[in-house]
Amino acid sequence: DTGVSQDPRHKITKRGQNVTFRCDPISEHNRLYWYRQTLGQGPEFLTYFQNEAQLEKSRLLSDRFSAERPKGSFSTLEIQRTEQGDSAMYLCASSPDKPLTPDTQYFGPGTRLTVL
Amino acid sequence: SQQGEEDPQALSIQEGENATMNCSYKTSINNLQWYRQNSGRGLVHLILIRSNEREKHSGRLRVTLDTSKKSSSLLITASRAADTASYFCATDPGGYNKLIFGAGTRLAVHP
Repeated sequence: DTGVSQDPRHKITKRGQNVTFRCDPISEHNRLYWYRQTLGQGPEFLTYFQNEAQLEKSRLLSDRFSAERPKGSFSTLEIQRTEQGDSAMYLCASSPDKPLTPDTQYFGPGTRLTVL
Repeated sequence: SQQGEEDPQALSIQEGENATMNCSYKTSINNLQWYRQNSGRGLVHLILIRSNEREKHSGRLRVTLDTSKKSSSLLITASRAADTASYFCATDPGGYNKLIFGAGTRLAVHP
């Protein structure tokens, strides 16, 4: 299957620790997105990559958050000095880059983070 | 902040009945999309309707869009237990296809 994959699926960490999540998009997709979803809410946009360039960051993405997509393929999202409020599902999505065409975002299964 | 607001927040029906979910949004949009999420999993794209379209069908799904009222509805006909999930509308206000999601409608279909 060539869908979006995320690793790990679950992460439990203690407050103050750093965590890193990985996302592998669909191989021919140039665009990659990160979202955060808390219980009972819809996903909230965090950041967006066009190939390796990070083109937009939400104000939700504090200085403790950093995302990279070094070769325009997989992406990592790191959270430093985790806080309990960071507990959420972190979703990755990818989409192709087709000019003048609204595209569909394909989501991965998510990484559920629990900060104790 | 979330752009879309779904209504109702929760819906419980019997198999075979139709389910209607509504979404309202705040700003102008390029398109509106509906996604489904099964418990604890990623989102699955259901249907996209462009701002210049008024109605769209896909299988048992029917979506309408009223840009003058900034609202959309999703109708699932002849529901099945497998339709039990949360349904989200998402708008693309323009730019980089950054989607703005509502809080979702939790649909329960009982056999």
